[in-house]
Amino acid sequence: QVQLVQSGAEVKPPGASVKVSCKASGYAFSYHGVSWVRQAPGQGLEWMGWISVGSGNTNYAQKFQGRVTISTDTSTSTAYLELRSLTSDDAAMYYCHRVTIFGVVSDFDYWGQGTLVTVSS
Amino acid sequence: EIVLTQSPGTLSLSPGARATLSCRASQSITNNYLAWYQKKPGQAPRLLIFGASGRANGTPDRFSGSGSGTDFTLTISRLDPEDFAVYYCQQYGSSGTFGQGTKVEIK
Repeated sequence: QVQLVQSGAEVKPPGASVKVSCKASGYAFSYHGVSWVRQAPGQGLEWMGWISVGSGNTNYAQKFQGRVTISTDTSTSTAYLELRSLTSDDAAMYYCHRVTIFGVVSDFDYWGQGTLVTVSS
Repeated sequence: EIVLTQSPGTLSLSPGARATLSCRASQSITNNYLAWYQKKPGQAPRLLIFGASGRANGTPDRFSGSGSGTDFTLTISRLDPEDFAVYYCQQYGSSGTFGQGTKVEIK
């Protein structure tokens, strides 16, 4: 069955970087895309960007341009989200989300379990 | 960047009632690429509707989506106790922005 398993919780000081992983199984990783969504405490969902795994093409939300990198390792079917220059506003639950190769949401929808990122000195 | 505005912010209804949630876009959404998600605390978002009106796998038929262009609606025909949650719309025709959410609470 399709699974997206994310890495564990992270605690980072302000100004640091964090890299969250999302290991996929049960489907052809290279024939899909992966998007990343976060939710800060008490706030709504926020789309950060996505990658088309086969081509490596990425698209980032304007808000995160220059501070985020989404990448993949097809040999391990793993997607990564790296966020740099962390501030307290980046404290949130981060989710990976399978999308189609064109970045489109499809009827069989899969999400990771979430990774909690805490930003604290 | 397309901005999505959801209304109302909170909907207070009784089990069995009909819920109507609105999502309005700042510009027309390509191919009606509009999804609706249900979000509960401690859980990942759950896709309900994609392509404005297509039910995702496993979505009960009391959930329906409609609309096109810039105005979209999620309707829950009869609220089940498990339906009380926060609902988000997302457009994925141009990047992937979310609305701010509508909380459906028990009256």
